[in-house]
Amino acid sequence: QSVLTQPPSASGTPGQRVTISCSGSYSDIGTNTVNWYQHLPGTAPRLLIYSNKQRPSGVPDRFSGSKSGTSASLAISGLQSEDEADYYCTSYSDSVHGWVFGGGTKLTVL
Amino acid sequence: QVQLVQSGAEVRKPGASVKVSCKASGYTFTSYGISWVRRAPGQGLEWLGWISPLNGNTKYAQNFRGRVSLTRDTSTSTASMDLRSLSIDDTAVYYCARDLGPIKGIDYWGQGALVTVSS
Repeated sequence: QSVLTQPPSASGTPGQRVTISCSGSYSDIGTNTVNWYQHLPGTAPRLLIYSNKQRPSGVPDRFSGSKSGTSASLAISGLQSEDEADYYCTSYSDSVHGWVFGGGTKLTVL
Repeated sequence: QVQLVQSGAEVRKPGASVKVSCKASGYTFTSYGISWVRRAPGQGLEWLGWISPLNGNTKYAQNFRGRVSLTRDTSTSTASMDLRSLSIDDTAVYYCARDLGPIKGIDYWGQGALVTVSS
């Protein structure tokens, strides 16, 4: 059972905006920043968002992140078929002194 | 460019051990930590532990403490993970990743190494 809580699935049609939530506690999201990854099985996870809302170079601005209290969210606008993947949130946990992950959200582009 | 190249797939029997290596290039190896993360079939990502290539300090996830050992060789810019007393549940793809710390997180990942535990 994952420390951070994400919905197991999400879906949208091309061009739509979808949001994926991530819920934690004071010792992780409440105290530290949140990062988001895109993962296609068989490939290396890709960093999409770090420090709650920062995008690494090369990540399209269709991807955005936010955080409030002990929750965070990833928004994907202008949905494209290539966005179909698993998405994970992560945060550093002061209670376990290490990284904790969400269970992952499988995004389907209909 | 930053690259983390991992060793290949392994097959082990229950009770055995496995070692996965991770060779870093494209940056100063001792400047950033290395975390190890796995993904089991049908499961999410799970953090195993972290090592500082600078001084060899380590942190391990509670679930793996006593079974996992992380080491590094600064002469070859290589980090390694040893996992002992394997069970079927340890079948997973194991990733090494460059760890920039609690604020900036984990950025670059290796390609993953499949470890299959089967009798």
